[in-house]
Amino acid sequence: QKEVEQDPGPLSVPEGAIVSLNCTYSNSAFQYFMWYRQYSRKGPELLMYTYSSGNKEDGRFTAQVDKSSKYISLFIRDSQPSDSATYLCAMSPPLYSSASKIIFGSGTRLSIRP
Amino acid sequence: EAGVAQSPRYKIIEKRQSVAFWCNPISGHATLYWYQQILGQGPKLLIQFQNNGVVDDSQLPKDRFSAERLKGVDSTLKIQPAKLEDSAVYLCASSLDYGGEAFFGQGTRLTVV
Repeated sequence: QKEVEQDPGPLSVPEGAIVSLNCTYSNSAFQYFMWYRQYSRKGPELLMYTYSSGNKEDGRFTAQVDKSSKYISLFIRDSQPSDSATYLCAMSPPLYSSASKIIFGSGTRLSIRP
Repeated sequence: EAGVAQSPRYKIIEKRQSVAFWCNPISGHATLYWYQQILGQGPKLLIQFQNNGVVDDSQLPKDRFSAERLKGVDSTLKIQPAKLEDSAVYLCASSLDYGGEAFFGQGTRLTVV
């Protein structure tokens, strides 16, 4: 079993729709959760990070963490064609620990249709 | 703030040849990572440095891959000899300290023919 599971998609939605992207994980030591966006032929770009259960909002993006279910989500409101990219979830054990390496999901390819 | 710099952007080599990639992290970042990203997959950690010491290299194929981070700043990743399955994008990332947000470079796309 992989430490982090993510549905690879592809996911195609119309412009303006709400998008829900999800990951599950098995390692209860993960305490720090991140979402990265990766455009074609580019490096991953950090979108959001959180270290607690609950919701964190940043503009059109909301990150949600449920540690009891080992489940994290990223919601995109009012999706735009420019949001078309691969979205990677990532997580790590507590910061400032020698075990703190960042593990990535396989990524979900998202396409927003104009 | 300047980002993570990587070079070259693209490289095509024949199998059994050697190749080296270079990374300059964000100034002041103590932790440096090398990831391998095969098409359609998420990045896989190859090696993690804290300053100039290795923290994790458990997934580095040490018979052919090597990496160093001299003076705790720049880093090089070398493959010798390359195999066809090494075709991937090699991403360098850095963070202020252990864990936390990592910032990525553009990557080096390696094709082994």
